[in-house]
Amino acid sequence: NAGVTQTPKFQVLKTGQSMTLQCAQDMNHEYMSWYRQDPGMGLRLIHYSVGAGITDQGEVPNGYNVSRSTTEDFPLRLLSAAPSQTSVYFCASSYSGQGTEAFFGQGTRLTVV
Amino acid sequence: GENVEQHPSTLSVQEGDSAVIKCTYSDSASNYFPWYKQELGKRPQLIIDIRSNVGEKKDQRIAVTLNKTAKHFSLHITETQPEDSAVYFCAASPPAWTSGTYKYIFGTGTRLKVLA
Repeated sequence: NAGVTQTPKFQVLKTGQSMTLQCAQDMNHEYMSWYRQDPGMGLRLIHYSVGAGITDQGEVPNGYNVSRSTTEDFPLRLLSAAPSQTSVYFCASSYSGQGTEAFFGQGTRLTVV
Repeated sequence: GENVEQHPSTLSVQEGDSAVIKCTYSDSASNYFPWYKQELGKRPQLIIDIRSNVGEKKDQRIAVTLNKTAKHFSLHITETQPEDSAVYFCAASPPAWTSGTYKYIFGTGTRLKVLA
């Protein structure tokens, strides 16, 4: 059982470049989300989805896009990378968004130079 | 908006001693409170959770207590071991009908160091 698979694990981008962080889960979870983790700031919600075709903004959505065409996949797109987006990104899924355990991917360490 | 405050930000204890991490939440409708452990370079993983209809829950050396009136909950680790060294995150989850959305609100984390 793979759980939540997130790729790549490390990435270096130049300012202005775009890229997509991939996230896939095989647990048939309806709820998926993306967080960024910065020192001293915990986990901050970027975007989330309560099911295929439904997405919404979290706490820090600017500069990021998401889509949810299938239950399994929830990619995060950086449209034009900025140094402020240097962070560790985690994808998570849960059976529902409220009151159930969140399973996290292994994280992506992104550096924007 | 909803907020979860977590203290302390760092905590050092001697091996065998107890560790306590405290969180306070702002949304009184929150009804699910998980704790996650994140080892260095790894993903956060659930270690224990509690629901609002329960005051305390134990699992071997870890326990969580909840005070709904004061809107705070705490993680207790007894007989600490070096492998307990990690960052611990608390979270609160309000019902969708109060927050307008499905989400967890995480605290800022506590770095626990267990000194051998």
